[in-house]
Amino acid sequence: ETGVTQSPTHLIKTRGQQVTLRCSSQSGHNTVSWYQQALGQGPQFIFQYYREEENGRGNFPPRFSGLQFPNYSSELNVNALELDDSALYLCASSFRPTAFSSYNEQFFGPGTRLTVL
Amino acid sequence: AQSVTQPDIHITVSEGASLELRCNYSYGATPYLFWYVQSPGQGLQLLLKYFSGDTLVQGIKGFEAEFKRSQSSFNLRKPSVHWSDAAEYFCAVGGPFGNEKLTFGTGTRLTIIP
Repeated sequence: ETGVTQSPTHLIKTRGQQVTLRCSSQSGHNTVSWYQQALGQGPQFIFQYYREEENGRGNFPPRFSGLQFPNYSSELNVNALELDDSALYLCASSFRPTAFSSYNEQFFGPGTRLTVL
Repeated sequence: AQSVTQPDIHITVSEGASLELRCNYSYGATPYLFWYVQSPGQGLQLLLKYFSGDTLVQGIKGFEAEFKRSQSSFNLRKPSVHWSDAAEYFCAVGGPFGNEKLTFGTGTRLTIIP
């Protein structure tokens, strides 16, 4: 069973650029969540996708957007990069039987380290 | 709004000694509570979780945690730490249905000395 994978591992961008981060969810999982972890901080929830629809969003501006594909992999897009976007971006996947089912364990990927210069 | 406080930024423990990491949460209903561990360059690994029932929960790697509603706490304990336990530990609270966003604390870095 393959776990959650993320690509790329590291990325360096300059302010104002756009970036796309990718996540392959664990086999059988249909829900993906994205988190931003700044240095020395805990992860902060960006948004969640359930069966290709956004299903919850944290306190992040619209320039943070995402997609979930039919195979349940996901992308996180960030436009107009700012210096404060430098962080570790974590993806987590889980299987949710129905839209309102109770908690299902989230499995985290190793993250993508984004540096904005 | 839900929140998590981990009052200890950094803890140093001798190998073989006992460990307790503190976590206080704020949530309006019965919370879903979690402890995760993060080693350098790694993602987050779930140590244990509390949803309901027995307030003392057992996890992996010999860890346990106790839910105390009256104190809004969910402290993590281990009777005897190993050098491999050195890592960053995060407490988190989950919202309604449990699978909504997780709100994490700022973490506690654990250092083990020989």
